[in-house]
Amino acid sequence: QVQLQESGPGLVEPSGTLSLTCAVSGVSISSSNWWSWVRQPPGKGLEWIGEIYHTGSTNYNPSLKSRVTMSVDKSKNQLSLKVSSVTAADTAVYYCANSLWFGSRWDGMDVWGQGTTVTVSS
Amino acid sequence: EIVLTQSPATLSLSPGERATLSCRASQSVSSYLAWYQQKPGQAPRLLIYDASNRATGIPARFSGSGSGTDFTLTISSLEPEDFAVYYCQQRSIWGTFGQGTRLEIK
Repeated sequence: QVQLQESGPGLVEPSGTLSLTCAVSGVSISSSNWWSWVRQPPGKGLEWIGEIYHTGSTNYNPSLKSRVTMSVDKSKNQLSLKVSSVTAADTAVYYCANSLWFGSRWDGMDVWGQGTTVTVSS
Repeated sequence: EIVLTQSPATLSLSPGERATLSCRASQSVSSYLAWYQQKPGQAPRLLIYDASNRATGIPARFSGSGSGTDFTLTISSLEPEDFAVYYCQQRSIWGTFGQGTRLEIK
């Protein structure tokens, strides 16, 4: 079955760039899925960061768009997320998930990674 | 930006009771709405997609309804494992989440 595994540095300095990867197993990243990133600050709710298709097409949350870059590495079957100019407000658990689109129908995000915690601090 | 408002913020019920959770959108999202359950230290779990379709493996006691701006998640008879935080998410324009409803044991 599809499995997702996030990884990356747990600590990032303020004004730096947060870089995470999500390893995808059980399915080719070039399948029909879109791949999403979601984050959750400590004790707070979920925030959609954006999504990417294997062709490189992206949709970003407008509130983060200027600082976010998503990409796919087909050779490694993995996704990556970069968030630049980070502040303490970017401290969160970061999740990757698959987002099921079938034509114009959206079937939610049914597979999630376990999440990786990123703290922004000097 | 579409804002999703969930109510109540906290719902206190006993096992066996019926739970009704609400999600209201600031503008129509058609049926581009999903519900998730999240337990402490775990990733969210998809319960309902397309407003009313149960995801694979989700028990029949979970049901979703609504379209446009008003949506409801109903748990017909609460089991002990159902006490968690529930989020709605729209994917009509971008992918915003509601702030969550905490379902706690009374």
